[in-house]
Amino acid sequence: NAGVTQTPKFQVLKTGQSMTLQCAQDMNHEYMSWYRQDPGMGLRLIHYSVGAGITDQGEVPNGYNVSRSTTEDFPLRLLSAAPSQTSVYFCASSYLPVSGNTIYFGEGSWLTVV
Amino acid sequence: TQLLEQSPQFLSIQEGENLTVYCNSSSVFSSLQWYRQEPGEGPVLLVTVVTGGEVKKLKRLTFQFGDARKDSSLHITAAQPGDTGLYLCAGEGGDAGNMLTFGGGTRLMVKP
Repeated sequence: NAGVTQTPKFQVLKTGQSMTLQCAQDMNHEYMSWYRQDPGMGLRLIHYSVGAGITDQGEVPNGYNVSRSTTEDFPLRLLSAAPSQTSVYFCASSYLPVSGNTIYFGEGSWLTVV
Repeated sequence: TQLLEQSPQFLSIQEGENLTVYCNSSSVFSSLQWYRQEPGEGPVLLVTVVTGGEVKKLKRLTFQFGDARKDSSLHITAAQPGDTGLYLCAGEGGDAGNMLTFGGGTRLMVKP
């Protein structure tokens, strides 16, 4: 059982480049989300989705796009990378409602923008 | 501005000591979760509390949800080096809507 799989694990980008962080889950979870984690800031929600075709913004959505064309996949796109987007990114998923179910996190993607 | 404030941010104690970590907010949540995160890994859920005043125990860890569902605490009895890690609280529902909002975390180090 793979759980939540994120790729790549490490990435270095130049300012202005674009890239996509991939996230896939094999648990048929309705809820998927992306967080970024910075020192002393805990995890901040970027975007989330409660099902295929449905996405919504979290606390810090600027500079990021998402789509949910299938239940399994929830890619995060950086359109024009900036040094402020240097962070560790986590994808998470769970059944709905979130409060009644366990949220599973991927292992993280370390992104450096130079 | 974060909805959830955790304190202390850092805690270094000796093996065998007791400690309490606090998670406070001015917002009401439908539920509150506690996670533990090891370096290089994602957070792992420890417990979910949903009822005001609820107390849950997980071996040496005791979790409490405030009566007004705005705050929570994590108490560890007789801490061990294996308890070392980053502890995160997260609130869902209520003022946070569908989002799961995290606190800034408490980094705990237990020295042998």
